[in-house]
Amino acid sequence: EDKVVQSPLSLVVHEGDTVTLNCSYEVTNFRSLLWYKQEKKAPTFLFMLTSSGIEKKSGRLSSILDKKELFSILNITATQTGDSAVYLCAVEEIGQGGKLIFGQGTELSVKP
Amino acid sequence: DTGVSQDPRHKITKRGQNVTFRCDPISEHNRLYWYRQTLGQGPEFLTYFQNEAQLEKSRLLSDRFSAERPKGSFSTLEIQRTEQGDSAMYLCASSSTGQPEETQYFGPGTRLLVL
Repeated sequence: EDKVVQSPLSLVVHEGDTVTLNCSYEVTNFRSLLWYKQEKKAPTFLFMLTSSGIEKKSGRLSSILDKKELFSILNITATQTGDSAVYLCAVEEIGQGGKLIFGQGTELSVKP
Repeated sequence: DTGVSQDPRHKITKRGQNVTFRCDPISEHNRLYWYRQTLGQGPEFLTYFQNEAQLEKSRLLSDRFSAERPKGSFSTLEIQRTEQGDSAMYLCASSSTGQPEETQYFGPGTRLLVL
């Protein structure tokens, strides 16, 4: 069965720390991996990754995909309290109409 | 606002009642998805439409659930004879097959509580 596993499930850090969130997957026909940030509302899109080894960056956030080892990481540097959220990883398969298979999420709490 | 919108944002109902939720996607998006999210879990796929055609339904979508997208624009999700286990956040997302990266954009969700 296709699945996406995120770790850790929760994480507490202090402002200024750097965090790494992990996402591993097992799907039959991988197409892309996506990261979303979810505060007390809808998930908001962060990154889409399709190729191995190419880092995507947006400000203090970056992400990379390893299609050989079937995982991705999301890095957040110089964390701020506004980074507190649930970070969701999702995988899309080829030929499945774009439906996403989500992991459980990592709940990040950044303390002042 | 040009994002995905959902209505209502919250719904409290008694067990056995029927409820209907609405989703308005981003206007140029031809694909529309419904997901369900329970506390502490990631969203789970329920069904999706390409234009007005419903192309896939998850096994999670029991006979009590029905979704429509009659004109290929907004969509409705109806739950008949609600059960307490239906309590969840119902998320709608839309995307466009015309985009190079067919990213799904989510609405704010409808939070359902069945008493």
